[in-house]
Amino acid sequence: YVLTQPPSVSVAPGQTARITCGGNNIASKAVHWYQQRPGQAPVLVVYDDRDRPSGIPERFSGSNSGNTATLTINRVEAGDEAGYYCHVWDSSSDHPNVVFGGGTKLTVL
Amino acid sequence: QVQLQESGPGLVKPLETLSLTCTVYGDSISSGTSYWTWIRQHPGKGLEWIGNIYYSGTTSYNPSLKSRATISVDTSQNQFSLKVTSVTAADTAVYYCARTGQWGDPFDIWGQGTRVTVSS
Repeated sequence: YVLTQPPSVSVAPGQTARITCGGNNIASKAVHWYQQRPGQAPVLVVYDDRDRPSGIPERFSGSNSGNTATLTINRVEAGDEAGYYCHVWDSSSDHPNVVFGGGTKLTVL
Repeated sequence: QVQLQESGPGLVKPLETLSLTCTVYGDSISSGTSYWTWIRQHPGKGLEWIGNIYYSGTTSYNPSLKSRATISVDTSQNQFSLKVTSVTAADTAVYYCARTGQWGDPFDIWGQGTRVTVSS
């Protein structure tokens, strides 16, 4: 199972960033999203398509439909500049597997 | 507050065995409420799942490592470990340990990562 993300997304401060994660019938899976700032470990920002862990701003939201899941960041701030990864668990093959998208670098202009 | 801490050599010679340990603080591996995971990130690249272990010792691995990886657990020390045999430069990466609740759940807690370089 393959998850496809755009390598980069650029947005001005205060605008909305949308980061997509494409996969075959991804709507049938729970999608999780991580933020990774340079030199740091990933941090969970959205889980189960659209839920936020405690401490994650409401500006972060998620959706999942058809073949595309989307992480939306409203009112983007300079501190949101980071890599973002989507993640699913895939049991469609003989061997259940964890799959990550290739990552998207969010640049705040 | 749950914290994970990786430890192990930062430099490994080619064809030798990479060995890392993750110590869990603030949670008990024996509680059986979580799976314990190793993930790596090659320089400048994305995340790669290596495998999981449950407190009972049940494991699951990424087939791409071709059986070179072994994960074990020591509940008495509240630690779990990773061994990767016959390493090459392609195993140079930052290695993370992480926690997930159940199969299908997100990785909610991550260690800070440890950089391992394979070089003679």
